[in-house]
Amino acid sequence: DAKTTQPPSMDCAEGRAANLPCNHSTISGNEYVYWYRQIHSQGPQYIIHGLKNNETNEMASLIITEDRKSSTLILPHATLRDTAVYYCIVRVAFDRGSTLGRLYFGRGTQLTVWP
Amino acid sequence: NAGVTQTPKFQVLKTGQSMTLQCAQDMNHNSMYWYRQDPGMGLRLIYYSASEGTTDKGEVPNGYNVSRLNKREFSLRLESAAPSQTSVYFCASSADGFSTDTQYFGPGTRLTVL
Repeated sequence: DAKTTQPPSMDCAEGRAANLPCNHSTISGNEYVYWYRQIHSQGPQYIIHGLKNNETNEMASLIITEDRKSSTLILPHATLRDTAVYYCIVRVAFDRGSTLGRLYFGRGTQLTVWP
Repeated sequence: NAGVTQTPKFQVLKTGQSMTLQCAQDMNHNSMYWYRQDPGMGLRLIYYSASEGTTDKGEVPNGYNVSRLNKREFSLRLESAAPSQTSVYFCASSADGFSTDTQYFGPGTRLTVL
């Protein structure tokens, strides 16, 4: 029951922008899109999340399409330390009507930043 | 402020042995979670605890038990380990578990069952 679809791998030159796409065509109106990354089997690290509007923080920008069926994570100036698996996650409620949401991890995108 | 800590970092068990994985957080979070990650896969939720005193099953609870010892600590127990439980186990916590809530992860426990 895949909630999101991501390319298995991408690469990017150091210093360039990395644009990671994600499809979530079955997303519901109250479900958030989250992005996490995992560097070399460490614990996943939170990057950013959003509902409808585009979001930006010190790590990245998140662009969500108007129909909310897809999104793009942008790392504006990728560095070698950004090499990681990036997970696009739709935050689903545990139960109908519950506000308690769990993260549903797929396989993610392996981003490799090269010098 | 250590965030989420897990012990042990590595463990090797024989089939049928039991063990408890420990997790603690110092962020005063209400909700805590246990995930497992198999090679080349994303994380799958085993159990979660929305608040102190409550626990619930996630996607893959079979073969595991949990205890929310207090607000800080959430342990995962394997009563009779099986090779299929060889995995990396991650604990996470979040302020209150709501859909806008950020989960913070520990460094993981790498478990091998022979």
